[in-house]
Amino acid sequence: GQQVKQSSPSLTVQEGGILILNCDYENDMFDYFAWYKKYPDNSPTLLISVRSNVDKREDGRFTVFLNKSGKHFSLHITASQPEDTAVYLCAAGATQGGSAKLIFGEGTKLTVSS
Amino acid sequence: EAAVTQSPRSKVAVTGGKVTLSCHQTNNHDYMYWYRQDTGHGLRLIHYSYVADSTEKGDIPDGYKASRPSQENFSLILELASLSQTAVYFCASSDAGAGTGQLYFGEGSKLTVL
Repeated sequence: GQQVKQSSPSLTVQEGGILILNCDYENDMFDYFAWYKKYPDNSPTLLISVRSNVDKREDGRFTVFLNKSGKHFSLHITASQPEDTAVYLCAAGATQGGSAKLIFGEGTKLTVSS
Repeated sequence: EAAVTQSPRSKVAVTGGKVTLSCHQTNNHDYMYWYRQDTGHGLRLIHYSYVADSTEKGDIPDGYKASRPSQENFSLILELASLSQTAVYFCASSDAGAGTGQLYFGEGSKLTVL
């Protein structure tokens, strides 16, 4: 089964708006959580990541919130811009036990309309 | 200059034929990965490696082999290509294992099996 799931295949938001992308995971051992951004015909690039010892990390317009008890993390984007239009992939991995696997969600296609 | 390069960038193969996708990284990273991208599935891990001459199965290894002859090079081999293997394949490298560090992706290899 899918260990990391994104609830929305697509989202549309007006320029300047705030949006939230959600991700749920199953594995209690996951302690590293990330969001990657992917433009069409390009490779994914890391947007922001957080480890399980914190429940929030902010980087400019982007904030990751982690809810470990609910096995859920989210990406909040403020003041959305047309260049934010892309596919956003959440990912999670376990640093304990020697695992080297990062598991991705299905992706959410975000469109920011001007 | 791109640190993870894939070849070929695009390939058309016939069903039952052999396909080799190559990946070269200059990041001096120990970990390398092969993912495939399909619409609605995000990125799924096929094989990965954390040291030369050793490979590990990911989540969807069936129908694929991998080879890591050196730290810099990681190949994905489809011995008998099938229609269901039509996808975009991404190679990535990481310096600390995907559970702990950022993945750096190549440009992707678009494979079409006819």
